[in-house]
Amino acid sequence: GAVVSQHPSRVICKSGTSVKIECRSLDFQATTMFWYRQFPKQSLMLMATSNEGSKATYEQGVEKDKFLINHASLTLSTLTVTSAHPEDSSFYICSARNPSYEQYFGPGTRLTVT
Amino acid sequence: LAKTTQPISMDSYEGQEVNITCSHNNIATNDYITWYQQFPSQGPRFIIQGYKTKVTNEVASLFIPADRKSSTLSLPRVSLSDTAVYYCLVGATRAGSYQLTFGKGTKLSVIP
Repeated sequence: GAVVSQHPSRVICKSGTSVKIECRSLDFQATTMFWYRQFPKQSLMLMATSNEGSKATYEQGVEKDKFLINHASLTLSTLTVTSAHPEDSSFYICSARNPSYEQYFGPGTRLTVT
Repeated sequence: LAKTTQPISMDSYEGQEVNITCSHNNIATNDYITWYQQFPSQGPRFIIQGYKTKVTNEVASLFIPADRKSSTLSLPRVSLSDTAVYYCLVGATRAGSYQLTFGKGTKLSVIP
């Protein structure tokens, strides 16, 4: 199947700082990527849809100024958590849609804000 | 987006066939049915996708009745490594923006 990578896999940051997470589709071009957040023992929650060359579409309740998304190329989308707080600690997962409309997920990034 | 309903958890012994059924009563004409597997602290892994009747690949089979209001994921001869959460999702894959909405999933525990 298609491969989607995320970097970093784990990150610890101090409260008030910003953290950038990268999502890459390694063997296909993805015009659309998605960002999810998952809290312990809960399901994945869609945060935003990232479209190459245009602004991201955010789900209700997700602050666009806090979670900055940039889809700079057909293989790269980034999520920047600005002014992170402990409640932003979570497992962040991206997915990318291939030309056959199948979605493949990255391995996730564990963010801990101290 | 069609809502899905799955059992919260299931237990099975090693070597048995496991069938997980998902209800999606308001599935739309354009919606496909996709199943994912997720291990703790990992991203979901694509298992199988189908539109109607039966789909089979090297790891699972997907049975979809004619009315498409439900689907059943069949895992043949499960092993301990199949212990995971399985998500059933429905959504249009062939047009427009395709968003996957995750339900609570089914936690499968395989017992030796």
